[in-house]
Amino acid sequence: NAGVMQNPRHLVRRRGQEARLRCSPMKGHSHVYWYRQLPEEGLKFMVYLQKENIIDESGMPKERFSAEFPKEGPSILRIQQVVRGDSAAYFCASSPQGSLDYEQYFGPGTRLTVT
Amino acid sequence: RKEVEQDPGPFNVPEGATVAFNCTYSNSASQSFFWYRQDCRKEPKLLMSVYSSGNEDGRFTAQLNRASQYISLLIRDSKLSDSATYLCVVTSGATNKLIFGTGTLLAVQP
Repeated sequence: NAGVMQNPRHLVRRRGQEARLRCSPMKGHSHVYWYRQLPEEGLKFMVYLQKENIIDESGMPKERFSAEFPKEGPSILRIQQVVRGDSAAYFCASSPQGSLDYEQYFGPGTRLTVT
Repeated sequence: RKEVEQDPGPFNVPEGATVAFNCTYSNSASQSFFWYRQDCRKEPKLLMSVYSSGNEDGRFTAQLNRASQYISLLIRDSKLSDSATYLCVVTSGATNKLIFGTGTLLAVQP
């Protein structure tokens, strides 16, 4: 059973470009969480999605960031017009349910560098 | 005030030592508590859940004090392979989102 997959593992973008980060949850998991880890900081929750629904986006920056989890295919975290401060590791996690009884399994992360 | 606070360390200890990490959380409504381990430039991995009754897994013992909003992790007989950052984590709200502390760095020396 493959774990959570994220691609690309490393992404370099110039300021002003768009970044698309993909997350394929574990088989049978329909709940996806995105977290961001800025350099020398802890992980911060960004958004929680179920298939075709955004459940909690309280951690998403108000502008330039969006997320989706379509019926088919991976979850996508999209960052428009990237700035240097977006450089971070972006982790997604999946679980079979969104309740407290289910562990979140993390993917290996995408390291975004904005030059 | 941060929702989850930890001593950032680093803790430099010799092999075989016992080391204790502490963590406090600010939201009294938090319902679930965990310790995660994160190796350099890797994803966090669940080490153990934390319960009020305390729980032990081999050399690792975790404890929760809800009244003080305090969580601890004890590692006995440290191994070189225990070197990592240890993250104190609580859940928030009905959606089970994880709130992470900034982590405590442990370096076990030979």
